[in-house]
Amino acid sequence: AQKITQTQPGMFVQEKEAVTLDCTYDTRDQSYGLFWYKQPSSGEMIFLIYQGSYDEQNATEGRYSLNFQKARKSANLVISASQLGDSAMYFCAMSRPWSTGRRALTFGSGTRLQVQP
Amino acid sequence: DTAVSQTPKYLVTQMGNDKSIKCEQNLGHDTMYWYKQDSKKFLKIMFSYNNKELIINETVPNRFSPKSPDKAHLNLHINSLELGDSAVYFCASSQVGLAGQETQYFGPGTRLLVL
Repeated sequence: AQKITQTQPGMFVQEKEAVTLDCTYDTRDQSYGLFWYKQPSSGEMIFLIYQGSYDEQNATEGRYSLNFQKARKSANLVISASQLGDSAMYFCAMSRPWSTGRRALTFGSGTRLQVQP
Repeated sequence: DTAVSQTPKYLVTQMGNDKSIKCEQNLGHDTMYWYKQDSKKFLKIMFSYNNKELIINETVPNRFSPKSPDKAHLNLHINSLELGDSAVYFCASSQVGLAGQETQYFGPGTRLLVL
C-alpha cells in the first residue's frame, strides 16, 4: 500500500522568503506520480505541480519547484518568494501506475502554511 | 469555463434523509472520482469510475452509491444519512496523457452537514 507522510502540521514564513514543505512517501511501485495540491481557506483543491518517478529533472512551475530525491523517497515542495496569497493548506499526494487501473490519489495529512507580512 | 463542477456547494440535512450530489466535467476525461475530506482535512478516495465502469470502491458503507450516466457525469447518492457523513465531498477527473502523466482536477467540493 502507498503511504504519504507530511511531518509539518504547520509552517510560518515571512513574505518574500522561500519555504520548503516536506513530503516523504512509501510505495512498492516502480512507476508512480507525485503531486502537490493547494487548498486555500475557500476550500477548493488547486493542482500545483507534478513529478513522475522516472523524471530525472526536478519539476518546476513558476514559483513552485519539487525537490525529488528518489533514493530518499522524498518529494518536497519549495515555494520561492512567498506571497500572502500562498497562505493555505498544502497536500502531497501520490498516484499508482495507470496500468494498475487504480489511479486514485493517496494524500498526506497536509501542512498549513501561513505567510506573514 | 468550469472544468469540474459540483452541485450543490452546501448541503444541510437531517439524519436519516437521502441526498444526492452531482458532478460534471467538461475536460473530456475518461476517469472520475469521489473523495471525502473529513473534519481533520484528511482526504480519502471513495470511488473511481473509468468510462462509466466502477474501478475503485473503497471501504465505504453501502449507503453510498455512485452512478455514472455517462463519461462526463458522476453522481453520489447517500441513503439514511448519519452524523458521521458530515464532510466535504470532492469530485475529480483525470486522463492519462501521452507521456503517461495523469493529473487529477478537482471540483469545488460539496460541504455536507448532517444534523
